Amino acid sequence: QIVVTQEPSFSVSPGGTVTLTCGLSSGSVSTTYYPSWYQQTPGQAPRTLIYSTNSRSSGVPDRFSGSILGNKAALTITGAQADDESDYYCVLYVGSGIYVFGGGTKLTVL
Amino acid sequence: QVQLQESGPGLVKPSETLSLTCTVSGGSISSYYWSWIRQPPGKGLEWIGYIYYSGSTSYSPSLKSRVTMSVDTSKNQFSLKLTSVTAADTAVYYCARWSYDNSGYYLEYWGQGTLVTVSS
Repeated sequence: QIVVTQEPSFSVSPGGTVTLTCGLSSGSVSTTYYPSWYQQTPGQAPRTLIYSTNSRSSGVPDRFSGSILGNKAALTITGAQADDESDYYCVLYVGSGIYVFGGGTKLTVL
Repeated sequence: QVQLQESGPGLVKPSETLSLTCTVSGGSISSYYWSWIRQPPGKGLEWIGYIYYSGSTSYSPSLKSRVTMSVDTSKNQFSLKLTSVTAADTAVYYCARWSYDNSGYYLEYWGQGTLVTVSS
């Protein structure tokens, strides 16, 4: 069974930079997994931030960026703001029409 | 603006079938992929599967034996059926639309989600 791993929690200072990662329990993440990132605040539906590794969804500020770092997908937030405090989920395409969500990272801005 | 709205019973008994419908407004259901995603209370998101407007499907391996998705283009709706439910199926269920551009596919539009509780 494929397991997508994310840091359970992370904290960043206002104005700081943070990088969240998305890995595989076995193997390396590459662009062929088409990693995407979603932001979710409590009680709200998720919002797409990044898809296909590094494409920003419409309306997403350019302080959100995606990449591959080593063997993981990464979401970097530059100049963190208070309203970036959310849960962040990555999704990987693992082939055969199957997508798998990571467990999510709870980001605290303080 | 495309909008999605989930509907269906908020309470389902154990061992019965969960049935939800997603109604699409502001755009056609044709030519797109549509997904169901769920989130148990206080937990993370889980991809259930997708259906193309033509009816082709792909389901999560962990749910495949219990899931059926269907589409009704005449009503601009698509549906989810999950059989033999247990308390572990209690979750907020979201419907969503995939969009495509030169970079690839992404979930562009989401419904607000509907809570389904499995309990006797």
